[in-house]
Parts: sequence; structure tokens; C-alpha cells
Amino acid sequence: KAGVTQTPRYLIKTRGQQVTLSCSPISGHRSVSWYQQTPGQGLQFLFEYFSETQRNKGNFPGRFSGRQFSNSRSEMNVSTLELGDSALYLCASSPAQDRGTEAFFGQGTRLTVV
Amino acid sequence: GQQLNQSPQSMFIQEGEDVSMNCTSSSIFNTWLWYKQEPGEGPVLLIALYKAGELTSNGRLTAQFGITRKDSFLNISASIPSDVGIYFCAGQETSGSRLTFGEGTQLTVNP
Repeated sequence: KAGVTQTPRYLIKTRGQQVTLSCSPISGHRSVSWYQQTPGQGLQFLFEYFSETQRNKGNFPGRFSGRQFSNSRSEMNVSTLELGDSALYLCASSPAQDRGTEAFFGQGTRLTVV
Repeated sequence: GQQLNQSPQSMFIQEGEDVSMNCTSSSIFNTWLWYKQEPGEGPVLLIALYKAGELTSNGRLTAQFGITRKDSFLNISASIPSDVGIYFCAGQETSGSRLTFGEGTQLTVNP
């Protein structure tokens, strides 16, 4: 079974630009969550999608948004990029049979804002 | 919001030694997960715990879900150089699938 696939692996963007990151979950998994990882803040929850609906949202500004497609693939978008948005963005895939199941992570997208 | 305190922050050990790390929470969690992350990679799931008091092993790794549901520990026995990495605990709320992560334990194993 293929794992969680995130594209691209690396991105360099300029302040003020916008960026879209993609995540393909494990086949059969319907829940996709996004996390931001930085040295200072650690791993922080952004949002979770299940069956194309945002089910849960973390404490991030509205510049961070996401969506999920009918095949469970998900994208997240960050608009008006700031230097502080530089981070490793991780996607996690979960079967979501119930609320207590394992989450499997992709390799992440390393975003650098200059 | 929920806080997860993970300790120690870092450990420097000799190959063959046993390692123990733990996490404590201000709130109750429904599930505890332990991950390992290596440079440039995403976290890899090591062990999942679903019931208070549960003790689960995965090779040289053993983890326990605390009775109060507010803590968990991970033990690594007979460490080897490839155990090097950052170990994270994560708690899953009862109300959703969001994970709250500890700060991580950086493990260094000297051959």
C-alpha cells in the first residue's frame, strides 16, 4: 500500500505570494489533517478534512485554507505569505473509522518564504 | 488549550543502554501515539495506545497509556545507533481527530 504523498517536497516563495500544497492520502483513508512544524512552535494542527468537509480547525489566521476532493486528496493554500510561514507542512492520513485511530504522515513540504 | 509536556528534551546515551521518555497532559486524551522523526522526513508512527493502562510493545519499544489518561511513556531497550532521531508523543482528543504533540525528545546514541 502506498503511503501518504505530499507534493512538492520543497518550495521557495516570496513574501506576499500565495502557495498551494498537495496531499494524497493512503488509499481508503478518508481523513486528511494538516500540521505546521517549526523549530519554535513544534507541530501545530492546522485543520482536518473528512468527506470533503472541514471537521476541525486550529488557531491559524484565515490566510491558511484547505479543501478536500471526492477522491480524498487534499490541498492547502496559504495566501499573502509572510516570513514566519516558513515551515515544514505535514499532511496526515487516517482511516477515521472513529475518532481514535492512527494518523500516518507524509514526508512533508518544506516551504521557505524569502 | 491543551498542553503536552514531554521530557526529557534531549538524551545522550551509549549504544546498548535503555531509554525512557514520557509525556504528561493537562487534559484527558482518548488515544496516545508515539512517533519518530528523522531529519528531512515526516514523523513515523511507532506505537498507538487506545485504552487506559494499556501496555504495548513493538520490537524493542514499549509504551504505556497512563491510568489517569493524562500521561504516557515510551521505553527503548538496548538502544542502537539507528534509534537516533526525535521522538514525539501525541494525544488525540475525545472530541475529534486533532493531534496535540509534545515538544519532542532528541535522542543521540553513541556507538
